[in-house]
Amino acid sequence: NAGVMQNPRHLVRRRGQEARLRCSPMKGHSHVYWYRQLPEEGLKFMVYLQKENIIDESGMPKERFSAEFPKEGPSILRIQQVVRGDSAAYFCASSPEGQGLNYGYTFGSGTRLTVV
Amino acid sequence: GEDVEQSLFLSVREGDSSVINCTYTDSSSTYLYWYKQEPGAGLQLLTYIFSNMDMKQDQRLTVLLNKKDKHLSLRIADTQTGDSAIYFCAEIRGSARQLTFGSGTQLTVLP
Repeated sequence: NAGVMQNPRHLVRRRGQEARLRCSPMKGHSHVYWYRQLPEEGLKFMVYLQKENIIDESGMPKERFSAEFPKEGPSILRIQQVVRGDSAAYFCASSPEGQGLNYGYTFGSGTRLTVV
Repeated sequence: GEDVEQSLFLSVREGDSSVINCTYTDSSSTYLYWYKQEPGAGLQLLTYIFSNMDMKQDQRLTVLLNKKDKHLSLRIADTQTGDSAIYFCAEIRGSARQLTFGSGTQLTVLP
């Protein structure tokens, strides 16, 4: 049973390009969460999605960032017109429907985005 | 300042106990977690405690929760070099599902 799969592991983009980060949740998990970790900081919540629905995007920057979790396929975090300040590690976590919170969340290994 | 605070660094000698501390400010916290992050890796859930508990033990790990002082600690007994990592405490607030993390404590285990 594969864990949460994120790709790519490392992504380099020039300023102004688009970055697309992918997250495949654990099998049977229908809740996906994206977090961002800036250098030497903790993880900050960005967005919480269920299949085809954004449940909470209170942590997402208002511009340039978007997320989706389609009925089929992985969840995508898209960053348009990247800037140097977007350089960070982006982590995805998943949890099953209806699972108690004592389960915690399963995290992927992250995508390290570097903007040059 | 941070809603969840941790000291940044801790060094211990191999075989000693490590105690990593965390303070939080939101009294509605329901679950509190400890995660471990090794270099270049994701987060591994170590243990959790529900807010109506004051202690939980799991092999070498002991979690203590003082709700009055909003203080959480993780004790690692017989610390090994493989325990060197960054340790994050995190909380779930009220009916939310997302985690709020501290900034992490870098644990270094010296031989």
